[in-house]
Amino acid sequence: DIQMTQSPSSVSASVGDRVTLTCRASQPIRSWVVWYQQKPGKAPQALIYDTSTLQSGVPSRFSGSGSGTDFTLTISSLQPEDFATYYCQQAATFPYTFGQGTRLEI
Amino acid sequence: EVELVESGGDLVQPGGSLRLSCAGSGFTFSNYEMNWVRQAPGKGLEWISYISSSSSSIYYAESVKGRFTISRDNAENSLYLLMSSLRAEDTAVYYCVREAYNREYLQHWGQGTLVTVSS
Repeated sequence: DIQMTQSPSSVSASVGDRVTLTCRASQPIRSWVVWYQQKPGKAPQALIYDTSTLQSGVPSRFSGSGSGTDFTLTISSLQPEDFATYYCQQAATFPYTFGQGTRLEI
Repeated sequence: EVELVESGGDLVQPGGSLRLSCAGSGFTFSNYEMNWVRQAPGKGLEWISYISSSSSSIYYAESVKGRFTISRDNAENSLYLLMSSLRAEDTAVYYCVREAYNREYLQHWGQGTLVTVSS
């Protein structure tokens, strides 16, 4: 199975900050990475797929990049509603696997 | 508007069985691949099963293979997960998730249903 490793596991930031979250795959997965946001008590929501394509309705302050094994999610200017847990997922092959999550907190 | 509504979560004893259901609406259910993803309390996300639109392809996570069975009824716009030989570590919120059309990602999620395995 492909392992996805996210770093850091948690990060503290402030409104207006630029934040970059990292995800590393245990083997090359081309561009088959998806990022999700989850708020407490809620279902996850897809933010970015195919490494860098924004899901409809997702603000442009979110962006994704990377290829092969190393991928990043960047939030250019943090808003209060962005404080949540973020997960990466590989969609290259079954079993789909998720990273352990990065908790973004104030 | 796409809606996925899970039901069937409950408290069940170890070794017991349970069937989860997911009702889809707001889209042509038969056109979409579906998944189940779970999340243990305070933990991360774990994908557990996939079924293609016609049920011709099915995959499971190793942790549930041989114990869980995914199925769907396109005429009823419904997805199912039959869980047997349940263990304490199966305790989780179970999400029904629709993939995007012709894209490999989990686009729409239900609100989840809680399964608790305990004596």
